[in-house]
Amino acid sequence: GENVEQHPSTLSVQEGDSAVIKCTYSDSASNYFPWYKQELGKRPQLIIDIRSNVGEKKDQRIAVTLNKTAKHFSLHITETQPEDSAVYFCAVFQGGSEKLVFGKGTKLTVNP
Amino acid sequence: DAGVIQSPRHEVTEMGQEVTLRCKPISGHNSLFWYRQTMMRGLELLIYFNNNVPIDDSGMPEDRFSAKMPNASFSTLKIQPSEPRDSAVYFCASSFSSSPLHFGNGTRLTVT
Repeated sequence: GENVEQHPSTLSVQEGDSAVIKCTYSDSASNYFPWYKQELGKRPQLIIDIRSNVGEKKDQRIAVTLNKTAKHFSLHITETQPEDSAVYFCAVFQGGSEKLVFGKGTKLTVNP
Repeated sequence: DAGVIQSPRHEVTEMGQEVTLRCKPISGHNSLFWYRQTMMRGLELLIYFNNNVPIDDSGMPEDRFSAKMPNASFSTLKIQPSEPRDSAVYFCASSFSSSPLHFGNGTRLTVT
């Protein structure tokens, strides 16, 4: 099955700095890569996603890059704000199925 | 759209008791997923249905766990008998075709 590795497990930045979270996956047939944000005590919510036919996607302060050859993708948050503090999960659709496999999560803390 | 609706929000029960968690997916979504979230293991997929049919139940921990989807608007996850190690947050999510997953607010289960 699909194996998703996410790094780092915790990340602390100063407000205004950038944050980068990286994920690697094992199944070369995977073609859809969403990122979810989970605030304390709440449900995971989709913040951005990318499909395998593009290398980068941006939405305001958030961007995702994908390297299919190397089988890794990254979440980039610029100009971080305290409300960005949360746990971020990468996920990969296992090739040939609708099975979404999640990374272990990154706890991001943005210090004012 | 009310989103994915789960009940109850919290469940506290004693070891050995039967627990039933409920989920109503978003109308029109044809895939439904049950995830379990713990600090140690992160977000684990337990089972998913497509058009009310169980497709992959390889994540179901053991025979004490069972899930049903009698129709397109309702699913249950049952644990019988429950054990303390089943304590976790259980999320239901739904999607349409290859669209992003939408999560419910989860059920926090505590087994004493």
